[in-house]
Amino acid sequence: KNEVEQSPQNLTAQEGEFITINCSYSVGISALHWLQQHPGGGIVSLFMLSSGKKKHGRLIATINIQEKHSSLHITASHPRDSAVYICAPYGAAGNKLTFGGGTRVLVKP
Amino acid sequence: ETGVTQTPRHLVMGMTNKKSLKCEQHLGHNAMYWYKQSAKKPLELMFVYNFKEQTENNSVPSRFSPECPNSSHLFLHLHTLQPEDSALYLCASSQVRAYGYTFGSGTRLTVV
Repeated sequence: KNEVEQSPQNLTAQEGEFITINCSYSVGISALHWLQQHPGGGIVSLFMLSSGKKKHGRLIATINIQEKHSSLHITASHPRDSAVYICAPYGAAGNKLTFGGGTRVLVKP
Repeated sequence: ETGVTQTPRHLVMGMTNKKSLKCEQHLGHNAMYWYKQSAKKPLELMFVYNFKEQTENNSVPSRFSPECPNSSHLFLHLHTLQPEDSALYLCASSQVRAYGYTFGSGTRLTVV
């Protein structure tokens, strides 16, 4: 079993739709990144959160440390949101990240 | 630009070649990382450097040789690679024992 499970693996949405990506992990953590990777390959950290909820523009991330679960929501999705979204919790010790397999999101106009 | 610069962006090399990947950050971070991303697989940690000292080698074959001359620069020296080593190689940096990672744009390596 992978330490970090993301669902769905692939998601296609129409522009304007609400998107949810889920992440469940078994590693003991105190914080987690949501990362965005565009086709060119570069990775950008969208959020780093350790509790509750964070919002940035149309993106919302939530985390429940006790349940070892996090979600990323995209409201009013747009074709430029098409990318791979990766959940990456920190390990219990130190500064190492563990990565989920990613969710490939395609938003159609 | 994220603050972590990787060069080159693309590299094609033969199995007998020797090449190096370079990563540079001027964010004041003191931890640097090499990751490998193969097609349809999650990112895999290769090496960790904290304060210029290698603290982790994740069972990486010796044909990959990292070098960290100072906290701002990280190299990955490549020699006698195999076609299965073709992947996206990503560098990242952070503060030791602090949250917050910054990734580079990656070097897409093709071994022929």
